[in-house]
Formats: sequence, C-alpha cells, structure tokens
Amino acid sequence: DVKVTQSSRYLVKRTGEKVFLECVQDMDHENMFWYRQDPGLGLRLIYFSYDVKMKEKGDIPEGYSVSREKKERFSLILESASTNQTSMYLCASSPLDLRIQHFGDGTRLSIL
Amino acid sequence: AQTVTQSQPEMSVQEAETVTLSCTYDTSESDYYLFWYKQPPSRQMILVIRQEAYKQQNATENRFSVNFQKAAKSFSLKISDSQLGDAAMYFCAYRGGDMRFGAGTRLTVKP
Repeated sequence: DVKVTQSSRYLVKRTGEKVFLECVQDMDHENMFWYRQDPGLGLRLIYFSYDVKMKEKGDIPEGYSVSREKKERFSLILESASTNQTSMYLCASSPLDLRIQHFGDGTRLSIL
Repeated sequence: AQTVTQSQPEMSVQEAETVTLSCTYDTSESDYYLFWYKQPPSRQMILVIRQEAYKQQNATENRFSVNFQKAAKSFSLKISDSQLGDAAMYFCAYRGGDMRFGAGTRLTVKP
C-alpha cells in the first residue's frame, strides 16, 4: 500500500531556530511536494522536486529551502523560523505523470 | 496563473440526502486534470475522484460523481446518499503546468 511518512505530527519551535521537516515515500515516485495549509487559503505549494537533487519553487518559497539527496526523501527547511510560519505542513508524492498525489498525515508546526 | 475557486466555505447536508460542492477554475491550458480531495479530521488527504480534461464523460466513484463543464470551467462534486463519514473538508484541485488547490469547503453531515 502507498505510504508517505512525515517525521513529526506536532512540532513546537522557537523564533530564529532552524527547523527540519522530513518526508519519506516508499513508492519510488519521481515527484515530491511540500505544501502548507492555512484556514481559508487551502493548500499552497512551497517547493517541489521532480528528481534527486532537483527542485523548483512553488507559490510561497520565501523563508524555506528544500533538500532531496535521495529519491525517497524530501526535506523542508525553515532557515530561521518566524511566527508567520506557524501552519500545517503537508508532504506529497506522485509518479512521473503527476496524475495522482499521495499525501502524508501532515505536521502541525508552531513557532513561538 | 491558474486559480481554483470554491465559493462555499461551508455546506451542510442531512444524512442520506444529496449535496453538491462547487468548484470553478481559470486556465488557458487545454490538457489538465481535476481532482476532489477529502480531508477528514485525521488530516490525511484522500483522493475522492479524478477527471481528465480530455474526457467528456463525467467521472463516477460509487456515491461520488462530478459535473465537469469544460467550457464553463466548472467541476462540481455530487455526493449521493450522504453518510456521517463523509463529513470533512473537501478540496478541489487542478493539475496542469502546476498544481493548484481551492480554499476548501467544510461539509457537515447531520444525522
């Protein structure tokens, strides 16, 4: 069965900290995505990756970076966390044709 | 840029009845996919139904069906025989050159 695993379900960090959110998929998918979800705004794409070491900016990349050293793992990095980055973060993966995306359970991140 | 609009922030339906969730989108592309996702309180995003733009026939999955009007750029979801387990946030999504989601509709099912 399809599995996208996010390392934490809840996370609390302080302003200015460097934060790592990890995502692993076991489906050998080429594409992986990071979204944030905020009430009334739906899902907004932060970054996506279509291959190892490849990345593309989404709608709201500012304040974030990503890393894809291995095909199965896609990390989201908050370089210096700020309170406006408090949100729900969702990771997803999809095969090459992008017909479907499989989502992880989400990480609720609070920046204090 | 493509936009996806869900004009109903909240909807309510009586158990066993039918409800329709609206979605419109804006695009200049001719080839794309449309999706409806369900997000229950567990937070996992679950694919409900998918429609390829080149197909004229409306997609159907058991109690879920869509009304796809390509010229009008409309993609509504109909849930028949609503069940308590259908209560969730529903997101309409577009996948063409990029991936876009609507803001979501919260569906409440009354027993």
